[in-house]
Amino acid sequence: AQSVTQPDIHITVSEGASLELRCNYSYGATPYLFWYVQSPGQGLQLLLKYFSGDTLVQGIKGFEAEFKRSQSSFNLRKPSVHWSDAAEYFCAVVDSNYQLIWGAGTKLIIKP
Amino acid sequence: EADIYQTPRYLVIGTGKKITLECSQTMGHDKMYWYQQDPGMELHLIHYSYGVNSTEKGDLSSESTVSRIRTEHFPLTLESARPSHTSQYLCASTQGQGRNSPLHFGNGTRLTVT
Repeated sequence: AQSVTQPDIHITVSEGASLELRCNYSYGATPYLFWYVQSPGQGLQLLLKYFSGDTLVQGIKGFEAEFKRSQSSFNLRKPSVHWSDAAEYFCAVVDSNYQLIWGAGTKLIIKP
Repeated sequence: EADIYQTPRYLVIGTGKKITLECSQTMGHDKMYWYQQDPGMELHLIHYSYGVNSTEKGDLSSESTVSRIRTEHFPLTLESARPSHTSQYLCASTQGQGRNSPLHFGNGTRLTVT
């Protein structure tokens, strides 16, 4: 069965430090992958997506993600986090029925 | 800026009451979705619609119903609210036909059933 695993429930980083959020997926065919961000009290907003081509994709707010087929991973990165990046981040893959399978999310906490 | 609107933002209601959560979008999207979101859990698809007069049940078994009489409007109704329905409900929409079409989300309705 298709699944998405985000191993870290929460991560704390200092402002200005680099960030990597992990996402592993289970899907037999070429995956369509997404990262969304949810700020407190808000809905989810698309950060970036991958469906083909360059395995390093750029998104909004300075985020990027790298697709690694051999590791079944799609990790999200940012070189230098800002306090406004504090939010919950969700990874998702599209299944064979064109529906999204979601990870449980990673809550990002920023230390001043 | 959200082009998909959910009302109310917060709702506290007693057990057994009938409630309707509203969702409207101004983007003309054909596809609309309702998700349930609980802390530390993945989003669960409750219902979806691919267009007017089209509704389907998602993975999550729920005592809710939806209707899609107009493209822009996709309300979710709970006939008899229970404490187990306490959760956040997110509405989303997309226009694309392909698997790479992103969802646009509303800001959610946080429901508490006492």
